[in-house]
Amino acid sequence: QKEVEQDPGPLSVPEGAIVSLNCTYSNSAFQYFMWYRQYSRKGPELLMYTYSSGNKEDGRFTAQVDKSSKYISLFIRDSQPSDSATYLCAMRTRNQGGKLIFGQGTELSVKP
Amino acid sequence: DTGVSQNPRHKITKRGQNVTFRCDPISEHNRLYWYRQTLGQGPEFLTYFQNEAQLEKSRLLSDRFSAERPKGSFSTLEIQRTEQGDSAMYLCASETGTGGLNTQYFGPGTRLTVL
Repeated sequence: QKEVEQDPGPLSVPEGAIVSLNCTYSNSAFQYFMWYRQYSRKGPELLMYTYSSGNKEDGRFTAQVDKSSKYISLFIRDSQPSDSATYLCAMRTRNQGGKLIFGQGTELSVKP
Repeated sequence: DTGVSQNPRHKITKRGQNVTFRCDPISEHNRLYWYRQTLGQGPEFLTYFQNEAQLEKSRLLSDRFSAERPKGSFSTLEIQRTEQGDSAMYLCASETGTGGLNTQYFGPGTRLTVL
């Protein structure tokens, strides 16, 4: 079983929809949680970074962490065609050299 | 700040050949990571450096793979006797500090195709 599980999709929504992306994890030592966005044939770029349970909001994006359930989510409000990309959840422990453990990635398509 | 750069962006090689990739991190970032990403999967950790010291290698990194970071600046990843299973995107990331709340910035990747 992988340490981080993410529904690969693909997910297709109309413009303006609310998108919910989710990851579950098994390692309780994970302390830091990230969401990266990756456009086709590009490197991942960081969207959100959280380290405590609860919600963190940044514009149209909200990251949610529930450590008791080992579950994290990313919500995108008022989705735009430019949001079409692959979204990767990633996490790391406090130690272990800082390497990131990624989910499989969810491919999102926002249709105009 | 010009970001993380990687060269070449694309490499096509025949099975059995050796290839070398280069990563130039963001200036003064002391940590440098290599990841591998195959189609439809998330990046998988390969190895990382703090300054010039290679501190961890994944079990994914077979004996055919070697990485260096001389003088703690740019890094190279070499694959000897390439196999078709080595075809993937090789990503480099850098960060300052020692993990935790620090952000890893990724380069555009080198896409390797082994024929």
